[in-house]
Amino acid sequence: GAVVSQHPSWVICKSGTSVKIECRSLDFQATTMFWYRQFPKQSLMLMATSNEGSKATYEQGVEKDKFLINHASLTLSTLTVTSAHPEDSSFYICSARDGGGIPTYNEQFFGPGTRLTVL
Amino acid sequence: QKEVEQNSGPLSVPEGAIASLNCTYSDRGSQSFFWYRQYSGKSPELIMSIYSNGDKEDGRFTAQLNKASQYVSLLIRDSQPSDSATYLCAVNTYGGSQGNLIFGKGTKLSVKP
Repeated sequence: GAVVSQHPSWVICKSGTSVKIECRSLDFQATTMFWYRQFPKQSLMLMATSNEGSKATYEQGVEKDKFLINHASLTLSTLTVTSAHPEDSSFYICSARDGGGIPTYNEQFFGPGTRLTVL
Repeated sequence: QKEVEQNSGPLSVPEGAIASLNCTYSDRGSQSFFWYRQYSGKSPELIMSIYSNGDKEDGRFTAQLNKASQYVSLLIRDSQPSDSATYLCAVNTYGGSQGNLIFGKGTKLSVKP
């Protein structure tokens, strides 16, 4: 159980284009999903917290107009990198928290990540 | 600022030995504690969670929590080369389903055959 998928697993795009990344919880309902970014040899950086049916909460320094997050259902959140530039090249990872009836003490389960390369 | 501190390593142990990974946190109100394993180029994988003082064992892994000292550790017995990875300590301040996890920067473990 507690499987989170991400699509695509990798993407290469030209500078100025937009890229959409999907994050799905496959066997549980995720009231909250998180988006992280990780540059090579660096630690995870939380970008935003996404709650189903409401606007995402962005961390300080993350441009909400550049990184559009939509959490339309209890199993799907999307991150769109708009007008991507080479400095946006990174490993983007989502995680999901089980929103079931029994408290889960905030265990987060990560998707496999999406490696974005902007040329 | 709530912080989670880990020794970045690398921590090198011979195969079959016990690897001991340590983590301290700054917020005394923290209630949930997690260890994730991250292989190079992969996403983190949850391996242990602990919520109360003492030890919690799962196979070769033992998590230890001491809230008075604001300290959580992970022991890996009979270490294998496949355990070589970066281990992330994560802490949540709130109980239940509230709040975000705060991650340490990770300790890189290398198990030598």
